[in-house]
Amino acid sequence: AQSVTQLGSHVSVSEGALVLLRCNYSSSVPPYLFWYVQYPNQGLQLLLKYTSAATLVKGINGFEAEFKKSETSFHLTKPSAHMSDAAEYFCAVSDAQGAQKLVFGQGTRLTINP
Amino acid sequence: NAGVTQTPKFRILKIGQSMTLQCAQDMNHNYMYWYRQDPGMGLKLIYYSVGAGITDKGEVPNGYNVSRSTTEDFPLRLELAAPSQTSVYFCASRPSVGAGANVLTFGAGSRLTVL
Repeated sequence: AQSVTQLGSHVSVSEGALVLLRCNYSSSVPPYLFWYVQYPNQGLQLLLKYTSAATLVKGINGFEAEFKKSETSFHLTKPSAHMSDAAEYFCAVSDAQGAQKLVFGQGTRLTINP
Repeated sequence: NAGVTQTPKFRILKIGQSMTLQCAQDMNHNYMYWYRQDPGMGLKLIYYSVGAGITDKGEVPNGYNVSRSTTEDFPLRLELAAPSQTSVYFCASRPSVGAGANVLTFGAGSRLTVL
């Protein structure tokens, strides 16, 4: 069975500071990994994905994530936070075959302080 | 291109009532999914479908039913609503092949309250 753990349900950073959202996964097969963002009262939008190509993945809005198999991690980073980054972020894992059902972490709410 | 459309956006039900959440996509996606989102719990998969006429249970199917008579539509039925079904429900879809084959497109959600 696959699972995802996001460390920290709430992260607060100052505008211009580094954003680091942590995600660890468990999977018995090579995983696909995703970060989704949810703005208030909206559905989820894809930020970036890892599907066994380059281990450093760049996404939208300046975010990137690095797949580290030895650490079973897929942490999300952004060098300089912007007020518009305030949202909830979800890490998710799926297998590469079949229905590719996504298993989500519990989410991390990012707050940006002016 | 509307993407994934969910109706209604909000609904209040009394305990024991039934209702159907509608989901339609116009992208000709084979795969469709229903998730529920509860605070601090992330999203849990209720049911999914890999094509018209084929559905299967996800992680939390109890109290729900689905059907998939067409590629476009994937309604979620709640029978005998209970307070534990108070949640935000998201429908999602993805294609089976192509560059976007592993990326879900989500609807805007349906917020359901059972009193």
